[in-house]
Amino acid sequence: RKEVEQDPGPFNVPEGATVAFNCTYSNSASQSFFWYRQDCRKEPKLLMSVYSSGNEDGRFTAQLNRASQYISLLIRDSKLSDSATYLCVVTEKGGNKLVFGAGTILRVKS
Amino acid sequence: NAGVTQTPKFQVLKTGQSMTLQCAQDMNHNSMYWYRQDPGMGLRLIYYSASEGTTDKGEVPNGYNVSRLNKREFSLRLESAAPSQTSVYFCASSRDRVADTQYFGPGTRLTVL
Repeated sequence: RKEVEQDPGPFNVPEGATVAFNCTYSNSASQSFFWYRQDCRKEPKLLMSVYSSGNEDGRFTAQLNRASQYISLLIRDSKLSDSATYLCVVTEKGGNKLVFGAGTILRVKS
Repeated sequence: NAGVTQTPKFQVLKTGQSMTLQCAQDMNHNSMYWYRQDPGMGLRLIYYSASEGTTDKGEVPNGYNVSRLNKREFSLRLESAAPSQTSVYFCASSRDRVADTQYFGPGTRLTVL
């Protein structure tokens, strides 16, 4: 079983739609959680950290469910510029390394 | 302020050849990392350096060596390239802990024939 699992998609949505991505992780000792964004043929960039209480940054909302070992990302009012691959990332047991999911592809169409 | 830079951007090698991928950061970060990214898989950690003078193996270290030349620079060497090492290689840095934001370089696309 992969340590971090994501639905690879692609998710094809129209502009203005709300879309949600899910991610599950296997290591119950993971301490830190993130969503990174990667544009086609570019490097990953931090989108947002995920806190236990949930957090919001503009149109983006991240949630963490430790009991179910589940992380989510909600994007409201999708823009064309949101088209990218979204990477779910957690710290490994012991917290020395990041473990990346394979990513979920989002395509926003006009 | 360039952030994290990597050279070269593209490289084609023949099996058995050697090469060094260069990485430098100008953010005064303590920690640096080398990852590889293959289709359908997440980024996998090859080696990391928590501070100048230290290096540790990641998930997939076989076939690679690293050097933390100074605080700014962290190089990755392939001594005898194999087709299985065809991949996109990313260097990253973070201020201190792995949980600090990691900043990535633009990547090196390596093909081994």
